[in-house]
Amino acid sequence: GAGVSQSPSNKVTEKGKDVELRCDPISGHTALYWYRQSLGQGLEFLIYFQGNSAPDKSGLPSDRFSAERTGGSVSTLTIQRTQQEDSAVYLCASSLGVAGDRTDTQYFGPGTRLTVL
Amino acid sequence: SQKIEQNSEALNIQEGKTATLTCNYTNYSPAYLQWYRQDPGRGPVFLLLIRENEKEKRKERLKVTFDTTLKQSLFHITASQPADSATYLCALPRTQAGTALIFGKGTTLSVSS
Repeated sequence: GAGVSQSPSNKVTEKGKDVELRCDPISGHTALYWYRQSLGQGLEFLIYFQGNSAPDKSGLPSDRFSAERTGGSVSTLTIQRTQQEDSAVYLCASSLGVAGDRTDTQYFGPGTRLTVL
Repeated sequence: SQKIEQNSEALNIQEGKTATLTCNYTNYSPAYLQWYRQDPGRGPVFLLLIRENEKEKRKERLKVTFDTTLKQSLFHITASQPADSATYLCALPRTQAGTALIFGKGTTLSVSS
């Protein structure tokens, strides 16, 4: 059916506020990834969920960032006490997550553009 | 840690010519390498994957090569069209055993008619 969806598409917030970004992966995909893309920079890995395994949080830039994935489907990325340097496009991707296949294709959502004033 | 360099930020070519984009990596040889296309305001779209034991992979007008000795991949678009104008990203697994990716900054291709 539908591809990866993300909401909101744009978010403007004031420095110090908390924000929540949502990702709906493709149905049946067990792997979910969050990346962010800053102006002039490449995509930066943030966090990875695979099935019921503990997430790989090694890309989160600070403890202000957290993510959860409920019921193996929808994921929420939370940024607490936002800073201006958090301004970026936050991209979510999902993949089938076939066991032992490290090459399965990632399908990206359109992203959420976050602006911290 | 692994680093990726896409050595041209922008590439301008005429319609009908072949575009060649370069991706170099600095550390361990990855098990595979991927190329994505990204249009403004959209997420990346997967194009091709090439494994470490493959020298070349083709898909329609696209060709990717992978040279583990040079630590380099070349991405070719033959008979380029204005619709091919976009940013092209090279991506590798973030760790040798992982699936999360590390991306290059991309090369923005402009094809003029």
